[in-house]
Amino acid sequence: GAVVSQHPSWVICKSGTSVKIECRSLDFQATTMFWYRQFPKQSLMLMATSNEGSKATYEQGVEKDKFLINHASLTLSTLTVTSAHPEDSSFYICSAPGLLGSYEQYFGPGTRLTVT
Amino acid sequence: GNSVTQMEGPVTLSEEAFLTINCTYTATGYPSLFWYVQYPGEGLQLLLKATKADDKGSNKGFEATYRKETTSFHLEKGSVQVSDSAVYFCALSPGSARQLTFGSGTQLTVLP
Repeated sequence: GAVVSQHPSWVICKSGTSVKIECRSLDFQATTMFWYRQFPKQSLMLMATSNEGSKATYEQGVEKDKFLINHASLTLSTLTVTSAHPEDSSFYICSAPGLLGSYEQYFGPGTRLTVT
Repeated sequence: GNSVTQMEGPVTLSEEAFLTINCTYTATGYPSLFWYVQYPGEGLQLLLKATKADDKGSNKGFEATYRKETTSFHLEKGSVQVSDSAVYFCALSPGSARQLTFGSGTQLTVLP
């Protein structure tokens, strides 16, 4: 089946620095990708929809200037957490939808971000 | 808005036991319903789905029936195996939008 990778799988950074997380579709093209955030023992919450070649669509309450999303190619979307703070520590997961009408989504393994 | 309420975990069962994980939802219209599974160190994988009322999704011995009258989509398996140990997520999507709303996940551990 289709594979989505994320890099890094985990990262520790200091407050005030920025961190970039990559999401790649390895064997298929994805004009759309989704970014989710998951707190311990809680749901995955949709943060934004990443669109290749255009601006991302952010969910209500998500700061677009803090969580910068770039979808520069059909196989890569990046999420940059700018000026990170400890409250940004979380598990970030991306996904890419399958063929239209299939209802399938392919998820990356996630990135654990810890801000100290 | 849309929401999914899922049975709290963790759930620990012996091999060959019967499994039920409850899931109820709130949504406008007629959403599609899903169960995803996440094995340790891996991404979420689609386990099964149902796109309209009374549909039954099934895969790998797991089943769930879309019950519109009770707004439920409970996951069942008649005889679990150790290899079924994972986190299970119930989710819904408003039609073809494909943006998923997830439940909180249920950790299942099956002991030999």
